[in-house]
Amino acid sequence: AQTVTQSQPEMSVQEAETVTLSCTYDTSESDYYLFWYKQPPSRQMILVIRQEAYKQQNATENRFSVNFQKAAKSFSLKISDSQLGDAAMYFCAWGGTSYGKLTFGQGTILTVHP
Amino acid sequence: DTEVTQTPKHLVMGMTNKKSLKCEQHMGHRAMYWYKQKAKKPPELMFVYSYEKLSINESVPSRFSPECPNSSLLNLHLHALQPEDSALYLCASSQEGGQKVTYGYTFGSGTRLTVV
Repeated sequence: AQTVTQSQPEMSVQEAETVTLSCTYDTSESDYYLFWYKQPPSRQMILVIRQEAYKQQNATENRFSVNFQKAAKSFSLKISDSQLGDAAMYFCAWGGTSYGKLTFGQGTILTVHP
Repeated sequence: DTEVTQTPKHLVMGMTNKKSLKCEQHMGHRAMYWYKQKAKKPPELMFVYSYEKLSINESVPSRFSPECPNSSLLNLHLHALQPEDSALYLCASSQEGGQKVTYGYTFGSGTRLTVV
């Protein structure tokens, strides 16, 4: 079974600084996809960034980037120039081609201090 | 239209009531999902519909009854719920049906359910 682990229940960052959220996963599949979702207090889960496992290049979306280490099964999210609106719970998720569902980590609560 | 719409946003029901949650998407997505989420926890999968057929039921109690009338609509019928069923209920859809989830989900904003 696939597992996703987020080892940081809570993180905090000063506005305009950079923060990295950790995620590790376990899978025996070679073809899969990884995602970071953001859930602000407004509660809607929003897709932040997506990574295809067969691509070595790390995905980037504006201030959000990932460090994907396939051999280590690590998928961390870096948020640059943090903004107050980045405060949310962040979930790492794994999606494959044979399970029909995403597997989520336990989440990391990110606080941004002005 | 790139949204998943859920109604109602809030629902308070008694333990003897029958109510329904509704979810709608017009993105042509082939799979739809119901999740239950408690505060500060990840969402827990309840049901998956793929090509309008129930493909996954995560051993959910029968007081929750899903229905997929067409490819755009997903309902969750509730009956005789318990206070511990109070939670945020999220609907999601994904582009592909079958076993693939290569593009992730598009989530609705959820229904906050309180059982009294």
